[in-house]
Amino acid sequence: SAVISQKPSRDICQRGTSLTIQCQVDSQVTMMFWYRQQPGQSLTLIATANQGSEATYESGFVIDKFPISRPNLTFSTLTVSNMSPEDSSIYLCSQTGGHSNEQFFGPGTRLTVL
Amino acid sequence: ILNVEQSPQSLHVQEGDSTNFTCSFPSSNFYALHWYRWETAKSPEALFVMTLNGDEKKKGRISATLNTKEGYSYLYIKGSQPEDSATYLCAFSDYKLSFGAGTTVTVRA
Repeated sequence: SAVISQKPSRDICQRGTSLTIQCQVDSQVTMMFWYRQQPGQSLTLIATANQGSEATYESGFVIDKFPISRPNLTFSTLTVSNMSPEDSSIYLCSQTGGHSNEQFFGPGTRLTVL
Repeated sequence: ILNVEQSPQSLHVQEGDSTNFTCSFPSSNFYALHWYRWETAKSPEALFVMTLNGDEKKKGRISATLNTKEGYSYLYIKGSQPEDSATYLCAFSDYKLSFGAGTTVTVRA
């Protein structure tokens, strides 16, 4: 298993502003992952945060909207930029562990955009 | 985007009753099927990783079966307890995880 923490745990933000979410893991990992779950929707992968290189974004997600930092092997940030109400979601970070691509998740950041 | 569907979206169970729900997924390029339990304000917790057709896994009162040929998995909860209240997510794995929207289980005392 893994111990993963996220900050903030929740926030309420105004449209047009940006929020940076922090994720800390307890062991050094090459890849960390950022997911979001919009209300009633599936948990969806936003991007893979690679240490030492640019993040890899999934279809439908772009760096200008979701810039990611990965300064070392245990930490990553995701910024939700120029927010709109459609960005209201739970944002989760994760790392791979165990076998068969099993993921260990942080507790999530619940974001509400007014 | 792979189509992983879970049914029902939500269900209510009386304490002590048993229940089950489904996850359907593409039957091609199968690598693994994951089940997670996600309680409010907590991290999603891995329950099972299933890789072989016909796999059956059990963890306490919770068990799961897998049919990769027809593309479905069942999760069973026997003798439901209030602490089983959570959202149960399944995820299909090829080179990455594709999640269903979850089944939210509420156990009434």
